[in-house]
Amino acid sequence: DGGITQSPKYLFRKEGQNVTLSCEQNLNHDAMYWYRQDPGQGLRLIYYSQIVNDFQKGDIAEGYSVSREKKESFPLTVTSAQKNPTAFYLCASKEDPGGDTQYFGPGTRLTVL
Amino acid sequence: RKEVEQDPGPFNVPEGATVAFNCTYSNSASQSFFWYRQDCRKEPKLLMSVYSSGNEDGRFTAQLNRASQYISLLIRDSKLSDSATYLCVVNGGYSTLTFGKGTMLLVSP
Repeated sequence: DGGITQSPKYLFRKEGQNVTLSCEQNLNHDAMYWYRQDPGQGLRLIYYSQIVNDFQKGDIAEGYSVSREKKESFPLTVTSAQKNPTAFYLCASKEDPGGDTQYFGPGTRLTVL
Repeated sequence: RKEVEQDPGPFNVPEGATVAFNCTYSNSASQSFFWYRQDCRKEPKLLMSVYSSGNEDGRFTAQLNRASQYISLLIRDSKLSDSATYLCVVNGGYSTLTFGKGTMLLVSP
């Protein structure tokens, strides 16, 4: 089965702690993306990567970091510098080049206690 | 800065009704347009791409008006299973997409 997996599905963390969200895809897609979604809001782009070992900031990168050491993996770290980290985090991927359609993983719901 | 705007909703309709969603976008250079569907607490899933000539997929019809920077989605013969939030999506340059906030549809028996 080809697809995008994210883990964990639910994550709780204490204020001041860093936490890393996993995103893996076996679709052989070049480009990967991280979004954040807050209740009643659209998806906002955090970071994206079009190729291994390269990534760019999206609209709301402050307080987040990423790495892209392998084509299949694009982990997101939510640092203690992120002021409002509680949100639904979605990872997506797409072939690049080859259209703009992005496919999403099931998401991780992060709650800061 | 609102780049993709949608009807705020929610839309409450009975089964069998026809419902239309509207969307406007601000980036005149956009080339790709989509409708995604998002169920409650789930990830968005591609419903359909939108082409200049308009396109239809079963009960769903999407239309694009580049001059007015306007996109629409028409759902005919609504089913209970159509209840979801519908996201209007436009490519934003540099291989990225810009999402609207979505319009919630509630189909009742």
